[in-house]
Amino acid sequence: NAGVTQTPKFQVLKTGQSMTLQCAQDMNHEYMSWYRQDPGMGLRLIHYSVGAGITDQGEVPNGYNVSRSTTEDFPLRLLSAAPSQTSVYFCASSYSSGAKIARAFFGQGTRLTVV
Amino acid sequence: GQQLNQSPQSMFIQEGEDVSMNCTSSSIFNTWLWYKQDPGEGPVLLIALYKAGELTSNGRLTAQFGITRKDSFLNISASIPSDVGIYFCAGQLRNYQLIWGAGTKLIIKP
Repeated sequence: NAGVTQTPKFQVLKTGQSMTLQCAQDMNHEYMSWYRQDPGMGLRLIHYSVGAGITDQGEVPNGYNVSRSTTEDFPLRLLSAAPSQTSVYFCASSYSSGAKIARAFFGQGTRLTVV
Repeated sequence: GQQLNQSPQSMFIQEGEDVSMNCTSSSIFNTWLWYKQDPGEGPVLLIALYKAGELTSNGRLTAQFGITRKDSFLNISASIPSDVGIYFCAGQLRNYQLIWGAGTKLIIKP
């Protein structure tokens, strides 16, 4: 069972470079989201999507773009990397079942360093 | 923005001891979730709570959804070495977004 797959696991970027973090899920989940995790802090929501073609901003969206052209994929783009974007990034997917609200399944994370 | 206050930040305990941690918020949530994160991994769901007052167990773990819907606690009984890790609470809003606590790091004394 693949679940949520993130690539790459590790990445080093120079300031100003752009790149895309990939996220794919094979569970046919409607909801997908991107978080960043910094030391001593909980996860902070960057962007999320409630279905193909629909995205919205989370708590810390600046410097990041997302798109959702298919149910399975939800890539996160860093437009011009900055040292403040050094973090561990997690992708999550969720489903809802009737009145029960979604429970999120997480990928293994991408550790990004911007120098 | 909305915040969850999770405490304690870290705990040093002896193997076999019981553990208790909690989260409080100024906001009302529809769902409380408790996750555990091991080093180098993403968070894994431990317990989900959907109704105010709900008490749910998962093995040695027990969690409760506060009556006011603004708090939750997690208890671990008879801790073992594999309980080491970081535990996160998360509250879920109506639009499915999760708001996370800063985590409780559990360390077992040798």
